[in-house]
This record gives sequence, structure tokens and C-alpha cells, in this order.
Amino acid sequence: KAGVTQTPRYLIKTRGQQVTLSCSPISGHRSVSWYQQTPGQGLQFLFEYFSETQRNKGNFPGRFSGRQFSNSRSEMNVSTLELGDSALYLCASSPGPLPNEQYFGPGTRLTVT
Amino acid sequence: LAKTTQPISMDSYEGQEVNITCSHNNIATNDYITWYQQFPSQGPRFIIQGYKTKVTNEVASLFIPADRKSSTLSLPRVSLSDTAVYYCLVGSFSGTYKYIFGTGTRLKVLA
Repeated sequence: KAGVTQTPRYLIKTRGQQVTLSCSPISGHRSVSWYQQTPGQGLQFLFEYFSETQRNKGNFPGRFSGRQFSNSRSEMNVSTLELGDSALYLCASSPGPLPNEQYFGPGTRLTVT
Repeated sequence: LAKTTQPISMDSYEGQEVNITCSHNNIATNDYITWYQQFPSQGPRFIIQGYKTKVTNEVASLFIPADRKSSTLSLPRVSLSDTAVYYCLVGSFSGTYKYIFGTGTRLKVLA
């Protein structure tokens, strides 16, 4: 089976812009989670989707949003980018519905200038 | 929500057993513990998961005491390729679904 794929792998944006990141889970996996990884804050949970429903969200401002499509693919969007949004954004999938073993993608490296 | 803490770094020599402990004092009844390994420029990779007592798979063991306020990942006979950052994760699905990663332990295996 193909692993979790994330596109794009690298992205450079300017403050104030918005960005959309994409994640394709492992075939058959219905749960997708998103994480932000930075040197200072480590790995932080953003949100988790199962069967197109957001089941929960971490402590991030409303500028961070996401969605999941019927084929389980997921996107996350960050609006009005700030310098502090520069990070590695990781997507993980699991078979669901219980969030057990997660399979991570390689991440999207976002740089905000 | 459980807050998790780990040692920042550890050094070991090839062939030794390495034990990495994670503290999660506020772990809830339905929370489970998972350990991941991360290499530079890659996403974390699942190592092992448990709820209580001891779990063993082909690469590691996980020890969880009765009070579940900590857990220990044990890597037998490490090699240079085990040099990585190791994270514990407390997963909460008691009506909500949240994941609290530990601070990560940077393991360096020396020849």
C-alpha cells in the first residue's frame, strides 16, 4: 500500500497570505489528523477528521481550518499567515474509528516571510 | 488533558539496552500511550502502543506501571540507525479525540 502523501512538500508564503495543504491517507484509512511541528513547541495537535467530520480541534486560532472529503483526502487551510506559522505540517492517517496507530506523511515545510 | 514530559537527550553505545521514560501525571482512564520514532526530514513512525502493564513487539517493549503516570520505552541492543528523536504520545478519546505529544527525547547511539 502506498503511504500517506502530502503536497506540496515545501512552500514559501508571505505574511497575510493564505495557504492550503493537502493530505492523501493510506487507502482504506478513514481518520486523518493534522499536526504542527516547530523547534520551540514540538508536535502539536491541530485537528482530526473521521468520515468527513471534525471530531476535535487543538488549541489553535480560527485561522487554522480543515476539511475531509468523501474519499478521506483532507486539506488544511491557514488564512492570514503570520511568521509564527512557519513550521512542518504533518498529516497522519489511521484506520479508525478509534485513533490507534497513526501513519504519518513526510510533512509540508511551510516558510512564512 | 495529560501533559507529557521526557528527557531532552540520551546517549548510548551500540549493543546496549536503552530505556526512555515519559511522564504523564494527568493521564485519564481511557487514555492510551504510543511511542513514535522520528528521523530528520521525515514524519514520525509508530513503534509501540499500550494501555497498561507490558507490551512487546519485534522492535521494542513498553512498560506501564499500575498507576499509569509514566511509561518506559525499552529498545534492546540499539544500533547506530536507532539514532533519532523518540516521542511518547498520550491519546485521549474519552468523548473527545486529542493527542498530546511529549517533548521528545533525542537519542544518540555511539559506536
